[in-house]
Amino acid sequence: GEDVEQSLFLSVREGDSSVINCTYTDSSSTYLYWYKQEPGAGLQLLTYIFSNMDMKQDQRLTVLLNKKDKHLSLRIADTQTGDSAIYFCAESASGGGADGLTFGKGTHLIIQP
Amino acid sequence: NAGVTQTPKFQVLKTGQSMTLQCAQDMNHNSMYWYRQDPGMGLRLIYYSASEGTTDKGEVPNGYNVSRLNKREFSLRLESAAPSQTSVYFCASEPEGKNEQFFGPGTRLTVL
Repeated sequence: GEDVEQSLFLSVREGDSSVINCTYTDSSSTYLYWYKQEPGAGLQLLTYIFSNMDMKQDQRLTVLLNKKDKHLSLRIADTQTGDSAIYFCAESASGGGADGLTFGKGTHLIIQP
Repeated sequence: NAGVTQTPKFQVLKTGQSMTLQCAQDMNHNSMYWYRQDPGMGLRLIYYSASEGTTDKGEVPNGYNVSRLNKREFSLRLESAAPSQTSVYFCASEPEGKNEQFFGPGTRLTVL
C-alpha cells in the first residue's frame, strides 16, 4: 500500500530555517499536504501542493516537490518558538474521499534558543 | 464559526463498555471523516461520509460503527471497547470541491 516517510525529529536554532522532508511511494498522489499539530490540539492545515507544481510559497513557508523522486519538503524561514510542533506530511490521489489522506508519522520540530 | 467540535475531550472505558464519540461541524461541509492517531504514527482513516446518510469504510473500520444522520453531525460508536482502541480520535470535515480537511481538537480515549 501507499507509504509516507518522515524523519521523527528535527532540531533547529531560533531564527534559522527549518527544512522538514518527506518521501512517498504512491505515484498516483495528486495532492500533497503539510499539517501542523501543537500539543493537545488537532491538526491544522498549513499548505498543500498539487502534483503538477514544483514549488509553492506562502509567507515563511516554502514547499518543494520533486515528483520524479517522490520527495516533498517544507521550509520554514526564520523559525520561531511558536513553530515548535509536530509536522505531518500527507498525500492523496483524490483529495480525500473514501481513501482519506495517507499520513506520515510526523516530524517533531524542536526549537533551540 | 466554531469549526469542527468533538465531545468528549477525554474518556476512560473498561473493556467491553460502549460509547459514542460525537463530532459536529458548522461550516456546511458535505464530507466528514473519522481518524485515529496512535503514538508514533500518522492518522489512519476509520470511516468516511460523503453526505448525510452515506458512509464508507476506511483503512481500520473493525470494531467501529458510524452514523451520519444529518449534514452537521458524524458520530463514531464503539460497541464493545477493547484496549487496542486506546487512541486519540480525530474528526474532520471537508468543503465540496476543495481538497482541505479541517480537523477537530480530538478525543483522547483510554480503554482499560
